[in-house]
Amino acid sequence: DAKTTQPNSMESNEEEPVHLPCNHSTISGTDYIHWYRQLPSQGPEYVIHGLTSNVNNRMASLAIAEDRKSSTLILHRATLRDAAVYYCILRISGTYKYIFGTGTRLKVLA
Amino acid sequence: EPEVTQTPSHQVTQMGQEVILRCVPISNHLYFYWYRQILGQKVEFLVSFYNNEISEKSEIFDDQFSVERPDGSNFTLKIRSTKLEDSAMYFCASSEAPRRSPLHFGNGTRLTVT
Repeated sequence: DAKTTQPNSMESNEEEPVHLPCNHSTISGTDYIHWYRQLPSQGPEYVIHGLTSNVNNRMASLAIAEDRKSSTLILHRATLRDAAVYYCILRISGTYKYIFGTGTRLKVLA
Repeated sequence: EPEVTQTPSHQVTQMGQEVILRCVPISNHLYFYWYRQILGQKVEFLVSFYNNEISEKSEIFDDQFSVERPDGSNFTLKIRSTKLEDSAMYFCASSEAPRRSPLHFGNGTRLTVT
Protein backbone atom coordinates (compact mmCIF):
# COMPACT_ATOMS: atom_id res chain seq x y z
CA ASP A 1 0.00 0.00 0.00
CA ALA A 2 1.09 3.56 -0.62
CA LYS A 3 1.67 4.69 2.96
CA THR A 4 2.62 8.14 4.16
CA THR A 5 4.15 9.23 7.46
CA GLN A 6 3.62 12.67 8.95
CA PRO A 7 4.28 14.24 12.35
CA ASN A 8 1.19 14.28 14.53
CA SER A 9 1.34 17.99 15.24
CA MET A 10 3.29 21.16 14.55
CA GLU A 11 3.13 24.74 15.73
CA SER A 12 3.94 27.93 13.93
CA ASN A 13 3.82 31.62 14.68
CA GLU A 14 1.49 33.75 12.64
CA GLU A 15 3.03 35.26 9.51
CA GLU A 16 5.98 32.90 9.59
CA PRO A 17 6.65 30.15 7.03
CA VAL A 18 5.65 26.60 7.86
CA HIS A 19 7.22 23.46 6.45
CA LEU A 20 5.10 20.34 6.81
CA PRO A 21 7.01 17.14 6.01
CA CYS A 22 5.74 13.85 4.63
CA ASN A 23 7.58 10.59 4.00
CA HIS A 24 6.31 8.24 1.30
CA SER A 25 9.12 5.80 0.67
CA THR A 26 6.88 3.25 -1.12
CA ILE A 27 5.59 5.68 -3.74
CA SER A 28 5.40 4.29 -7.26
CA GLY A 29 6.98 6.10 -10.18
CA THR A 30 3.76 7.44 -11.67
CA ASP A 31 1.86 8.51 -8.57
CA TYR A 32 1.18 12.10 -7.75
CA ILE A 33 1.59 13.36 -4.19
CA HIS A 34 -1.56 15.09 -3.00
CA TRP A 35 -1.98 17.42 -0.05
CA TYR A 36 -5.31 18.24 1.53
CA ARG A 37 -6.30 20.07 4.67
CA GLN A 38 -9.32 19.85 6.89
CA LEU A 39 -10.46 22.88 8.82
CA PRO A 40 -12.65 22.29 11.87
CA SER A 41 -16.14 21.07 10.93
CA GLN A 42 -15.42 21.07 7.19
CA GLY A 43 -14.66 18.54 4.50
CA PRO A 44 -11.12 17.95 3.25
CA GLU A 45 -9.94 20.75 1.00
CA TYR A 46 -7.48 20.30 -1.84
CA VAL A 47 -4.23 22.23 -1.31
CA ILE A 48 -1.73 21.14 -3.95
CA HIS A 49 -0.38 18.12 -5.81
CA GLY A 50 2.73 17.26 -7.80
CA LEU A 51 4.64 14.48 -9.51
CA THR A 52 8.36 15.27 -9.65
CA SER A 53 9.19 18.93 -9.78
CA ASN A 54 8.27 21.56 -7.23
CA VAL A 55 4.85 23.12 -7.56
CA ASN A 56 3.41 26.47 -6.54
CA ASN A 57 -0.14 27.72 -6.32
CA ARG A 58 -1.96 30.51 -4.54
CA MET A 59 -2.28 28.46 -1.36
CA ALA A 60 1.12 26.83 -0.95
CA SER A 61 4.25 25.36 -2.46
CA LEU A 62 5.17 21.70 -2.69
CA ALA A 63 8.80 20.65 -2.60
CA ILE A 64 9.40 17.08 -3.76
CA ALA A 65 12.66 15.28 -3.01
CA GLU A 66 14.67 14.11 -5.99
CA ASP A 67 14.06 10.45 -5.10
CA ARG A 68 10.35 11.23 -4.48
CA LYS A 69 10.44 9.43 -1.15
CA SER A 70 9.49 12.57 0.72
CA SER A 71 7.85 15.93 0.18
CA THR A 72 7.29 19.16 2.08
CA LEU A 73 4.28 21.41 2.00
CA ILE A 74 5.28 25.03 2.47
CA LEU A 75 2.89 27.70 3.69
CA HIS A 76 4.79 30.91 3.07
CA ARG A 77 3.08 33.03 5.71
CA ALA A 78 0.89 31.15 8.15
CA THR A 79 -2.33 32.82 9.24
CA LEU A 80 -4.74 31.82 11.97
CA ARG A 81 -7.05 30.53 9.24
CA ASP A 82 -4.40 27.97 8.24
CA ALA A 83 -4.89 26.08 11.50
CA ALA A 84 -6.08 22.69 10.29
CA VAL A 85 -5.14 19.05 9.88
CA TYR A 86 -2.91 18.63 6.82
CA TYR A 87 -2.90 15.31 4.98
CA CYS A 88 -0.35 14.02 2.53
CA ILE A 89 -1.93 11.18 0.55
CA LEU A 90 -1.15 8.89 -2.33
CA ARG A 91 -3.29 6.83 -4.61
CA ILE A 92 -3.12 3.10 -3.94
CA SER A 93 -1.34 1.75 -7.03
CA GLY A 94 -3.63 0.18 -9.59
CA THR A 95 -6.73 1.64 -7.95
CA TYR A 96 -8.72 4.85 -7.75
CA LYS A 97 -8.48 4.79 -3.98
CA TYR A 98 -6.88 7.45 -1.77
CA ILE A 99 -6.33 6.60 1.86
CA PHE A 100 -6.04 9.31 4.49
CA GLY A 101 -3.66 8.87 7.39
CA THR A 102 -3.87 10.79 10.65
CA GLY A 103 -2.25 13.90 9.18
CA THR A 104 -0.43 16.77 10.90
CA ARG A 105 -2.44 19.07 13.11
CA LEU A 106 -1.07 22.57 12.56
CA LYS A 107 -1.51 25.09 15.33
CA VAL A 108 -0.87 28.74 14.45
CA LEU A 109 0.00 31.04 17.32
CA ALA A 110 -0.99 34.69 17.25
CA GLU B 1 -15.52 27.89 -8.90
CA PRO B 2 -17.57 24.69 -9.29
CA GLU B 3 -18.05 22.68 -6.13
CA VAL B 4 -19.42 19.42 -4.83
CA THR B 5 -22.68 19.90 -2.96
CA GLN B 6 -24.18 17.52 -0.43
CA THR B 7 -27.65 17.34 1.05
CA PRO B 8 -28.87 17.31 3.70
CA SER B 9 -26.22 18.91 5.88
CA HIS B 10 -27.56 17.03 8.90
CA GLN B 11 -29.72 13.91 9.00
CA VAL B 12 -31.13 12.36 12.15
CA THR B 13 -32.60 8.88 11.88
CA GLN B 14 -33.63 6.03 14.11
CA MET B 15 -31.70 2.79 14.24
CA GLY B 16 -32.91 0.35 11.61
CA GLN B 17 -34.20 3.04 9.26
CA GLU B 18 -32.95 3.55 5.72
CA VAL B 19 -31.18 6.78 4.81
CA ILE B 20 -30.10 8.22 1.49
CA LEU B 21 -27.35 10.81 1.38
CA ARG B 22 -27.18 12.90 -1.75
CA CYS B 23 -24.31 14.49 -3.60
CA VAL B 24 -24.03 16.54 -6.77
CA PRO B 25 -20.46 16.13 -8.06
CA ILE B 26 -18.73 18.66 -10.30
CA SER B 27 -20.32 18.32 -13.72
CA ASN B 28 -17.37 17.19 -15.88
CA HIS B 29 -15.97 14.80 -13.30
CA LEU B 30 -16.06 11.07 -13.94
CA TYR B 31 -14.88 9.51 -10.69
CA PHE B 32 -16.90 9.63 -7.51
CA TYR B 33 -16.20 8.72 -3.93
CA TRP B 34 -17.75 8.43 -0.50
CA TYR B 35 -15.69 8.82 2.65
CA ARG B 36 -16.80 8.95 6.24
CA GLN B 37 -15.34 10.42 9.43
CA ILE B 38 -16.46 9.33 12.86
CA LEU B 39 -16.13 12.19 15.34
CA GLY B 40 -12.51 12.66 16.35
CA GLN B 41 -11.22 9.99 14.00
CA LYS B 42 -9.58 9.99 10.60
CA VAL B 43 -11.24 10.24 7.21
CA GLU B 44 -12.04 6.68 6.02
CA PHE B 45 -12.50 5.54 2.43
CA LEU B 46 -15.81 3.81 1.74
CA VAL B 47 -16.19 3.40 -2.01
CA SER B 48 -15.10 4.66 -5.41
CA PHE B 49 -17.37 4.68 -8.46
CA TYR B 50 -16.57 5.03 -12.15
CA ASN B 51 -18.45 4.31 -15.35
CA ASN B 52 -21.60 3.43 -13.43
CA GLU B 53 -20.04 0.79 -11.30
CA ILE B 54 -18.12 0.40 -8.06
CA SER B 55 -14.35 0.44 -8.62
CA GLU B 56 -13.24 -0.30 -5.08
CA LYS B 57 -14.87 -0.58 -1.70
CA SER B 58 -13.55 -0.87 1.81
CA GLU B 59 -14.40 -3.42 4.47
CA ILE B 60 -16.75 -0.85 5.99
CA PHE B 61 -18.85 -0.84 2.82
CA ASP B 62 -20.83 -4.01 3.51
CA ASP B 63 -24.19 -5.18 2.18
CA GLN B 64 -25.98 -2.45 4.11
CA PHE B 65 -24.42 0.19 1.88
CA SER B 66 -25.09 0.91 -1.77
CA VAL B 67 -24.30 3.71 -4.19
CA GLU B 68 -26.07 4.90 -7.28
CA ARG B 69 -25.85 7.56 -9.93
CA PRO B 70 -29.55 7.62 -10.80
CA ASP B 71 -29.78 10.50 -13.26
CA GLY B 72 -26.33 11.52 -14.49
CA SER B 73 -25.95 14.35 -11.99
CA ASN B 74 -26.67 13.00 -8.52
CA PHE B 75 -24.56 10.45 -6.69
CA THR B 76 -26.20 8.81 -3.70
CA LEU B 77 -25.16 6.68 -0.76
CA LYS B 78 -27.86 4.50 0.78
CA ILE B 79 -27.60 2.82 4.14
CA ARG B 80 -30.30 0.19 4.26
CA SER B 81 -30.68 -0.37 7.98
CA THR B 82 -28.76 2.14 10.04
CA LYS B 83 -26.85 1.23 13.17
CA LEU B 84 -25.66 3.48 15.97
CA GLU B 85 -22.09 3.08 14.75
CA ASP B 86 -23.03 4.58 11.37
CA SER B 87 -23.20 7.98 13.05
CA ALA B 88 -20.50 10.02 11.32
CA MET B 89 -19.81 12.76 8.80
CA TYR B 90 -20.14 11.43 5.27
CA PHE B 91 -18.17 13.19 2.56
CA CYS B 92 -18.71 12.90 -1.15
CA ALA B 93 -15.84 13.65 -3.54
CA SER B 94 -15.33 13.76 -7.27
CA SER B 95 -12.38 13.90 -9.63
CA GLU B 96 -11.72 14.33 -13.34
CA ALA B 97 -8.98 11.71 -13.45
CA PRO B 98 -7.78 10.49 -10.07
CA ARG B 99 -4.17 9.77 -10.90
CA ARG B 100 -3.35 13.30 -11.95
CA SER B 101 -6.30 15.39 -10.77
CA PRO B 102 -7.26 16.20 -7.20
CA LEU B 103 -10.35 15.07 -5.37
CA HIS B 104 -12.89 17.78 -4.67
CA PHE B 105 -14.87 17.21 -1.49
CA GLY B 106 -18.26 18.42 -0.39
CA ASN B 107 -18.86 19.80 3.08
CA GLY B 108 -20.44 16.59 4.23
CA THR B 109 -23.63 15.27 5.75
CA ARG B 110 -23.66 14.70 9.48
CA LEU B 111 -25.59 11.49 10.10
CA THR B 112 -26.86 10.91 13.62
CA VAL B 113 -28.43 7.52 14.36
CA THR B 114 -30.44 7.37 17.58
